[in-house]
Amino acid sequence: DVKVTQSSRYLVKRTGEKVFLECVQDMDHENMFWYRQDPGLGLRLIYFSYDVKMKEKGDIPEGYSVSREKKERFSLILESASTNQTSMYLCASRFRRFSQPQHFGDGTRLSIL
Amino acid sequence: KNEVEQSPQNLTAQEGEFITINCSYSVGISALHWLQQHPGGGIVSLFMLSSGKKKHGRLIATINIQEKHSSLHITASHPRDSAVYICAGGRDTGNQFYFGTGTSLTVIP
Repeated sequence: DVKVTQSSRYLVKRTGEKVFLECVQDMDHENMFWYRQDPGLGLRLIYFSYDVKMKEKGDIPEGYSVSREKKERFSLILESASTNQTSMYLCASRFRRFSQPQHFGDGTRLSIL
Repeated sequence: KNEVEQSPQNLTAQEGEFITINCSYSVGISALHWLQQHPGGGIVSLFMLSSGKKKHGRLIATINIQEKHSSLHITASHPRDSAVYICAGGRDTGNQFYFGTGTSLTVIP
């Protein structure tokens, strides 16, 4: 079974802090994704990566950056956390062929105080 | 307007009822996915469809490509089916998925 592991289920940080969310997958997937999920808005793509050191902006990249130094690990960085970044963050991965499904982590519920 | 629209947004059913959740999309897609999210966050892929119909246990998913519409049916619903169901579509070109906002299902014993 594919395993996508997010480093924290719950995280509380303060405004202005630099926040790192880590995601690791064990199936050698080329593509990895970071989403945020808010009530009434559904899943929105922040960034995705289609290979090591490669990244593309999604719909809402402002205030975020990403890092993919190894194929199995995709990190989301909040450069200077703000209260409007309080949300559920979900990581996903899949093989490059589009016909393959995405596999999701359990999510990180991040609160910025 | 979202590229993918789901209805209803919320659904409450009695145990044993037959349930239908609908998904309409306005963009050309190559495959449509039905996802399930239980309270607590984790998302599981239920089905991936590019045509016709798929069945897994009490769950059935259908898609009509011409009408750009898909349905998820649950037969003999059970309280453990209570979850948010999300449809998502995507194209062969590009990596982006288009997500619906989800249908929150509660099945009452």
